[in-house]
Amino acid sequence: DIQMTQSPSSLSASVGDRVTITCRASQGISYFLAWYHQKPGRAPKLLLYGASRLYSGVSSRFSGSGSGTDFTLTISSLQPEDFATYYCQQYVSAPHTFGQGTKLEIK
Amino acid sequence: EVKLLESGGDLVPVGGSLRLSCAASGFTFSDYAINWVRQAPGKGLEWVSAINGAGTDTYYTDSVKGRFTIFKDNSKNTVYLQMSGLTVEDTAVYYCAKTGGIGWFDDCWGQGTLVTVSS
Repeated sequence: DIQMTQSPSSLSASVGDRVTITCRASQGISYFLAWYHQKPGRAPKLLLYGASRLYSGVSSRFSGSGSGTDFTLTISSLQPEDFATYYCQQYVSAPHTFGQGTKLEIK
Repeated sequence: EVKLLESGGDLVPVGGSLRLSCAASGFTFSDYAINWVRQAPGKGLEWVSAINGAGTDTYYTDSVKGRFTIFKDNSKNTVYLQMSGLTVEDTAVYYCAKTGGIGWFDDCWGQGTLVTVSS
């Protein structure tokens, strides 16, 4: 199985900050990576797929990069609604494993 | 509008069985794969199982192989997750999610249904 490791596990930031979350795969997954965020008590929501493709309706302040084993999610200017937990997921092969999550909190 | 609605979650004893349902609407059901993803209380997301649009190919994470079965009824636009031999480690909110069509990522999620396995 492919293991996905996110860093950091938690992050404190302020509105307007630029933040970056990284995700590393235990083996190459090309660009078959998605990013989601989840707020407490709610279902996850898709942000990006194909490592860098913005899902319809998602703000352009979210961007993704990487291929192979190393990926990043960047939020260019944090907004209050962005404070949530972020997950990466590989979907190149089953099981479609998730990272352990990065909790983004208000400083 | 794409919608997914899970049902069937309940409190069950260790070793018990349960069937979850995921009723879909707003898209051509037979064209898209469906995933089940679970989240134990206070924990992260765990991919559980998937089925392709035709219902001919199924996939499972190792911890549920032999205990869980995913299947679908395209005439009812519903995917099912039959769970047996339940353990306390299966306690979680179970989400069904529609894949994006060009990959196995999930572009639309249901609200989840809670399964509690009690010893």
